[in-house]
Parts: sequence; C-alpha cells; structure tokens
Amino acid sequence: AQKITQTQPGMFVQEKEAVTLDCTYDTSDQSYGLFWYKQPSSGEMIFLIYQGSYDEQNATEGRYSLNFQKARKSANLVISASQLGDSAMYFCAIEGGKLIFGQGTELSVKP
Amino acid sequence: SQTIHQWPATLVQPVGSPLSLECTVEGTSNPNLYWYRQAAGRGLQLLFYSVGIGQISSEVPQNLSASRPQDRQFILSSKKLLLSDSGFYLCAWSVTTLREQFFGPGTRLTVL
Repeated sequence: AQKITQTQPGMFVQEKEAVTLDCTYDTSDQSYGLFWYKQPSSGEMIFLIYQGSYDEQNATEGRYSLNFQKARKSANLVISASQLGDSAMYFCAIEGGKLIFGQGTELSVKP
Repeated sequence: SQTIHQWPATLVQPVGSPLSLECTVEGTSNPNLYWYRQAAGRGLQLLFYSVGIGQISSEVPQNLSASRPQDRQFILSSKKLLLSDSGFYLCAWSVTTLREQFFGPGTRLTVL
C-alpha cells in the first residue's frame, strides 16, 4: 500500500524568504507520480507541481520546485520568495493507480 | 480549456434524507473522474473513481454510491444520510492515471 507522510502540521515563513515543506512516501511500485496541491481557505485544491518516478530532473514550476530524492523516498516542496498569498494548506500526494494524500502542512506567510 | 463544475456549493441536510451531488467536466473527452471527501482539518479520502461511462470503482464501503450516466458527468448519491457524511466533497478529473488531477470547487455538506 502507498503512504504519504507530512510531518509538519504548521509552518511559518517570512515574506520573500524561501520555505521547504517536507514529504516522504512509501510505495512498492516502480512507476508512480508525486504531486503537490495547495488548498487556500476557499477550499479549492490547486495543482502545483508533478514529479514522475522516472524523471531524473527535479520538477520546477515558477516559484515552486520539487526536491525529489528517490533513494530517500522524499519529495519536498520548495517555495521561493514567499508571498502573502502562499498562506494555505499544502498537500503532498502519490499516484500509483489512485491518488493518496498526506495530512497536509499549513503554511503561514508573515509580512 | 478544461473546466470542472460542482453543485451545489453548500448543502445542509437532515439525517436520513437523500443526497445528490453533481459534477460535470467541460473541454475534454473520456476523462477519469473521482469523488473525494475531506473531513475538517484532514487530508482527502478517495471515495469513488470512474474510467468510463457506467464504470465505477468504490474505495470505501459506506452508504454512498456514485454513477456516471454521461462521459463528463459524475454523480454522488445517498439514499439516507448519516451524521458522519458531513464534510467537504471534491470532484476531480484527470486525463489518465499517474498524472495530475484537477479539482472542482467542492460542495460543503452538513448533515444535522
């Protein structure tokens, strides 16, 4: 069975600084996808970034980058130059037939 | 571009009443469709998914059911709601498995 662990229930970061949100996973599949989603207080789930298990390069999307360390089974999200609008819940997820979500990390950006 | 709609946005229902939540996708054909539930302060739990019309896979046995009467329509139903059915229900679609899913705006259900 697949499992996602997010060990940081809450994080604070100063505006304009970078922040890393941790995610570790467990799977016996050889082929899988890793995802990060943002959920603001409005409730919508916003797709941020995707990393395939066979991708050798770390995924990047604008200010978001995924630090993929396959041997350690970690897929941390790095947000550079934090903005006040980045305050939200962030979920890591793994897909190997179905999407399994972690419990999330609540990020608060301080002005 | 693709869009996904859910309605209603909010719903308050008494225990024992029926439920019907609707999800439709525009701008794509033969999508994979998913229903999730999110309890307050928790992650998402997959309830049902569908890879085609009339094809429904259930992940969690409960008093909910799902149907896919049309290619881009996914319906979540219940004959009799329980208090524990309260939560935030999200519909999602994807082109295929192992790739990103895109979520609708969600329905907040309160069962009293």
